[in-house]
Amino acid sequence: SYELTQPPSVSVSPGQTARITCSGDALTKKYAYWYQQKSGQAPVRVIYEDNKRPSGTPERFSGSRSGTMATLIISGAQVDDEGDYYCYSVASTGDRRGMFGGGTKLTVL
Amino acid sequence: QVQLVQSGSELKKPGASVKVSCKASGYTFTNYAMNWVRQAPGQGLDWMGWINTNTGNPTYAQGFTGRFVFSLDTSVSTAYLQISSLKADDTAVYYCARRGYSYGAPDYWGQGTLVTVSS
Repeated sequence: SYELTQPPSVSVSPGQTARITCSGDALTKKYAYWYQQKSGQAPVRVIYEDNKRPSGTPERFSGSRSGTMATLIISGAQVDDEGDYYCYSVASTGDRRGMFGGGTKLTVL
Repeated sequence: QVQLVQSGSELKKPGASVKVSCKASGYTFTNYAMNWVRQAPGQGLDWMGWINTNTGNPTYAQGFTGRFVFSLDTSVSTAYLQISSLKADDTAVYYCARRGYSYGAPDYWGQGTLVTVSS
């Protein structure tokens, strides 16, 4: 089981806004990070520290966090954005144990 | 640029051992710790733990103690994951992922190593 909960799937049409949520108690105190994994590839970080974009992440990707929930927002989703998205955070116990959400499959069609 | 290059796929019999390597380049190896992550077929990502590349001290997540060992060879900027007494449900892709400065969250990932355990 996962301590971070994500919806199994989200589906949008091209150009629409996709929102993927991640919930868990750890998020009341710790940052959320988001990773995109396309089929057969390694994950790639797309958001760190709730809402920061690494170089190379398109501007249509953004993030937010409030209370026990973090949200990845893809504004104007494109077909190329299809894939699995995982949130990540660390335990609030101080040992910096990592944890991933169960993942959300994003379909853009 | 930062690169993590992992060793190739492995096919092992139950009860055997396997050692996966992760060679880092493009940065000073001992400036960043290393995470290990497992992904079983069709499943999500499981954080296995991490190793401090300065001290060699490993930290294992629950469920990854006993048969799993993280190690280093800093002379060749390489991290290793060894799994002993392999079982069928160890079949998975194993990733190394550099532990970034922000709470150790992974920033760069290796390409993954598929370990298949089958008789």
